[in-house]
Amino acid sequence: SQTIHQWPATLVQPVGSPLSLECTVEGTSNPNLYWYRQAAGRGLQLLFYSVGIGQISSEVPQNLSASRPQDRQFILSSKKLLLSDSGFYLCAWSVLPGLPSYEQYFGPGTRLTVT
Amino acid sequence: GQQVMQIPQYQHVQEGEDFTTYCNSSTTLSNIQWYKQRPGGHPVFLIQLVKSGEVKKQKRLTFQFGGAKKNSSLHITATQTTDVGTYFCAGPGRDSNYQLIWGAGTKLIIKP
Repeated sequence: SQTIHQWPATLVQPVGSPLSLECTVEGTSNPNLYWYRQAAGRGLQLLFYSVGIGQISSEVPQNLSASRPQDRQFILSSKKLLLSDSGFYLCAWSVLPGLPSYEQYFGPGTRLTVT
Repeated sequence: GQQVMQIPQYQHVQEGEDFTTYCNSSTTLSNIQWYKQRPGGHPVFLIQLVKSGEVKKQKRLTFQFGGAKKNSSLHITATQTTDVGTYFCAGPGRDSNYQLIWGAGTKLIIKP
């Protein structure tokens, strides 16, 4: 069965510090991968998605970046965090289009507080 | 741009009462998906509806997809404390099958 891992679970970082969040998926090949951010009590904001190694699409201009160095690894980074970067960061995967369904499966998330 | 609107934002119910959340898309959807997020947790896929007028049930949960494939609803009969959380609907993006367009969610709160 498929499993998605995210770490760390919680993170407190000062403004201006760098960020690296990692997500890995097990049990599937060629997944679509997604990074979302969720502000407290709010909905899901898609940040990046990737359909293959090295292929990244950005949805929202910001000081964040994403990379996919391996098929089942997705990394979210920032060189300098802002207060507004605080939130709940969720990684998700889905199967490729063309199959009957492509629902998304989420990792446990990382709660980031920028102080 | 394409939007998925979900109402209400919050619903307070007594345990045992029913709960309904509604989802409306600005465009026709090939399918609609529902997710549940428990407090402090991550969204979990519940179900996908594909056919016009489709109705699916999962125990006390009933999901409907409208005839025009632009709206959907989730109805919970006789809510229990385990139903607490936020329910999201989502549909595929018109321009990209890789993305989902998400509703803002409806938070179900059980009154003590």
